[in-house]
Amino acid sequence: DGGITQSPKYLFRKEGQNVTLSCEQNLNHDAMYWYRQDPGQGLRLIYYSQIVNDFQKGDIAEGYSVSREKKESFPLTVTSAQKNPTAFYLCASSDIFLTGAGEGYTFGSGTRLTVV
Amino acid sequence: SQQGEEDPQALSIQEGENATMNCSYKTSINNLQWYRQNSGRGLVHLILIRSNEREKHSGRLRVTLDTSKKSSSLLITASRAADTASYFCATALTGGGNKLTFGTGTQLKVEL
Repeated sequence: DGGITQSPKYLFRKEGQNVTLSCEQNLNHDAMYWYRQDPGQGLRLIYYSQIVNDFQKGDIAEGYSVSREKKESFPLTVTSAQKNPTAFYLCASSDIFLTGAGEGYTFGSGTRLTVV
Repeated sequence: SQQGEEDPQALSIQEGENATMNCSYKTSINNLQWYRQNSGRGLVHLILIRSNEREKHSGRLRVTLDTSKKSSSLLITASRAADTASYFCATALTGGGNKLTFGTGTQLKVEL
């Protein structure tokens, strides 16, 4: 089955630590995205990538970093510079060419990050 | 800032009733999409409507788009308890490629 997998489902981080959230897709999608969701809120874009080895900052990139070395993978690192990292993190992918045909994003099931 | 704002923030109805959610946005768009999120889960794409379309149907879902008012509505007919979820609109801005900006969501509760 094609899909997008995020791991781990729950992650606990100590103050001052960097942590990396995994996102892998086997949908052959060119574009991948990271969003942050706070309780009762909508999604805010952190970073996105439309092609391998290229990515752009979203609205709230400060304190985060990404890489896109492979089409299938788009890991997100939450650095110690991110002052309020506790949130639900969602990864998504899309086929840019199929958007015209009515296709939207495919989302992973999310990683809940808590600072302890 | 959020591009889309949903209204109402929360909606509670009885099974079998229709549910209507509205979304307003601020700038020119290529398309508008609606997503559903069950508690603690990822989002699921429901329907996409392009800027040159006014109405679209998919099963029990009906979406309208009024670009002059910069607004959209999602109607779920004959609602079921399983429709209980949060619903988000998302806009692909003109010149923004495939990047989506999400609204704040409507929490729908369908009671038996």
